[in-house]
Amino acid sequence: GAGVSQSPSNKVTEKGKDVELRCDPISGHTALYWYRQSLGQGLEFLIYFQGNSAPDKSGLPSDRFSAERTGGSVSTLTIQRTQQEDSAVYLCASRVQGPNNGYTFGSGTRLTVV
Amino acid sequence: GIQVEQSPPDLILQEGANSTLRCNFSDSVNNLQWFHQNPWGQLINLFYIPSGTKQNGRLSATTVATERYSLLYISSSQTTDSGVYFCAVAYSGGYQKVTFGTGTKLQVIP
Repeated sequence: GAGVSQSPSNKVTEKGKDVELRCDPISGHTALYWYRQSLGQGLEFLIYFQGNSAPDKSGLPSDRFSAERTGGSVSTLTIQRTQQEDSAVYLCASRVQGPNNGYTFGSGTRLTVV
Repeated sequence: GIQVEQSPPDLILQEGANSTLRCNFSDSVNNLQWFHQNPWGQLINLFYIPSGTKQNGRLSATTVATERYSLLYISSSQTTDSGVYFCAVAYSGGYQKVTFGTGTKLQVIP
């Protein structure tokens, strides 16, 4: 597609439920990143994919968080047993691999855990 | 990891005024971008500028990689410029993991 697409745009879930967030990157972008932004805060790195593999998962806050990418395209971020502190905007970005290419961000998924 | 500091953290401008936002980083980078996050949360890429100077309308940016800083200039500010400006860098020795600065929150008042 023309841009990075994320769905849903908003998600309200009850504490303890599992949620799945989806990112559809720009076609041909091999690198995909997930970030999290809590209210009024900066962006916190979660995970990076190159193709279908994730060489850096160091930003995932706990083992309740996982992500996968299939076909070198769509990525899903899964949060199990959601907690209130998981409430944030989850942003996905993609780019063409290489040192001279910038990032394009999606509009994010606003997750609210009640 | 690499540290990215932005200043000032907050800025209030009268419409029409000019401003300079600064981004300092602690290590060599080969990827630097400036983003504007609008009040609706959308991150808009302003400049990809690992070095040199670029201009786009009322905005321009300069990165001096050897001195580890970048500047974003906003001229003749408008209320639509309000939001948070982020500098984001990728470490030269890494695989392009991007580290964001803490941002400058700009409010332009009429």
